[in-house]
Amino acid sequence: GAGVSQSPSNKVTEKGKDVELRCDPISGHTALYWYRQSLGQGLEFLIYFQGNSAPDKSGLPSDRFSAERTGGSVSTLTIQRTQQEDSAVYLCASSLVFPGGAQDIQYFGAGTRLSVL
Amino acid sequence: DQQVKQNSPSLSVQEGRISILNCDYTNSMFDYFLWYKKYPAEGPTFLISISSIKDKNEDGRFTVFLNKSAKHLSLHIVPSQPGDSAVYFCAAITPGKLQFGAGTQVVVTP
Repeated sequence: GAGVSQSPSNKVTEKGKDVELRCDPISGHTALYWYRQSLGQGLEFLIYFQGNSAPDKSGLPSDRFSAERTGGSVSTLTIQRTQQEDSAVYLCASSLVFPGGAQDIQYFGAGTRLSVL
Repeated sequence: DQQVKQNSPSLSVQEGRISILNCDYTNSMFDYFLWYKKYPAEGPTFLISISSIKDKNEDGRFTVFLNKSAKHLSLHIVPSQPGDSAVYFCAAITPGKLQFGAGTQVVVTP
């Protein structure tokens, strides 16, 4: 499809288990972002990939969270030893990056709803 | 540190009337602002944007106003329609990331 694709759409897991969330960005978009939205909260930035540069991991809440982007396209967000407070909707976005970054409109996937029991 | 703030969590407006959504920011280095709209179970979709060199941008029923001295922007929807019922997020660009507000839930009533 033409949009950002995320899988699975829903994930239920037990506390302490590891989970992997996948994001397929829009073809040709060099930038990829992960956010999460907890219940009743705004969108919280997690991590940003741009081309071959080192990712900006400044938003990752703990070392249980990690992300990879293979071949400059698909990205996987991994949460190890999940906790109940990790329950949220995890959103992926991608964008073109213009010189100067002035019009860096991000296009979002529908998200993965993670529930940690 | 919440640098983008939407202080109204919800707004109810009659169909046909104007919806005004407000957003305040603290970082004077922000130079580009966007509004996103989000329906339940969907990702946010881009609605309208404004550069800091402008004070107004209009796209159909949607107009965004920027007051840099007050570090304030607003989104006007005129006339409001039932399909506008959604959560609206204000966002500001810093290199590599968007800083989002917490969102305003808009409900347009018949």
